Amino acid sequence: GAVVSQHPSWVICKSGTSVKIECRSLDFQATTMFWYRQFPKQSLMLMATSNEGSKATYEQGVEKDKFLINHASLTLSTLTVTSAHPEDSSFYICSAREGLAPLSDTQYFGPGTRLTVL
Amino acid sequence: GNSVTQMEGPVTLSEEAFLTINCTYTATGYPSLFWYVQYPGEGLQLLLKATKADDKGSNKGFEATYRKETTSFHLEKGSVQVSDSAVYFCALSNSGGSNYKLTFGKGTLLTVNP
Repeated sequence: GAVVSQHPSWVICKSGTSVKIECRSLDFQATTMFWYRQFPKQSLMLMATSNEGSKATYEQGVEKDKFLINHASLTLSTLTVTSAHPEDSSFYICSAREGLAPLSDTQYFGPGTRLTVL
Repeated sequence: GNSVTQMEGPVTLSEEAFLTINCTYTATGYPSLFWYVQYPGEGLQLLLKATKADDKGSNKGFEATYRKETTSFHLEKGSVQVSDSAVYFCALSNSGGSNYKLTFGKGTLLTVNP
C-alpha cells in the first residue's frame, strides 16, 4: 500500500515552454501533497504544500507564478513549470500524506521526475 | 525551529560490516522521526519510523530507536549488503498546524563493496 506515482519520469523541453508533472496517490486518499526539488547530491528542498481544493502554500523564495500547483482531487496534484529555463533543470519529487491516523504523519514519495531544459 | 543533523558521508563499508549512521534532532514538542532511503535515480522510500520516545523502528534488518534524552535516532544494521548502497535521509515531522512538513538531514551516501 501507500504507492505514489509520478508522470513523466523524465522530460526534456526547450527553453520557454511549460511542463506539467503529475503526482498520483494510487491506493489512498492524500489529504496533503508536497512538491520538492532536489539538486545533485543534495537533500530535498520543499517547494510547496498543497491541500485538496485549496491554494498551495509556497516556501519562501519559490515563485508562485513560475511553479503552478493544482490539487484538484484527493489523488492527484500537478506541478506546472511555466516558461522553463535551463536553471529549472532538476529532479522534482512529490510526496503525499494520508489524512487518517495513525499514518497521518507519514509522507510517501513518488519516484521523481527528471526535468532537463535545453 | 526544527532541524536534523546527520553524519556526513560518504560511508564506505565492506559487505557484512556493521553500519551506524548518526542522526540528532532539534524540535519543539514531540516529533515523529523517520529514515528514508533513496536509490540512484529514484525517489525516497520510507525505511522506518518511530512516533514516540523509546519506540524502535525496524525494517529490512535496519533499526533505529527514538531517544528523547539524547534527541537522537541513529540508524543501525548488523550486516550490510551491496544492495544497501544508497543515500539515507533522517527526517522529523511535527504537527501543530504545519501539515506535518518533513525536515530532512542532508543525507548520507552509503557504499557497500563486495
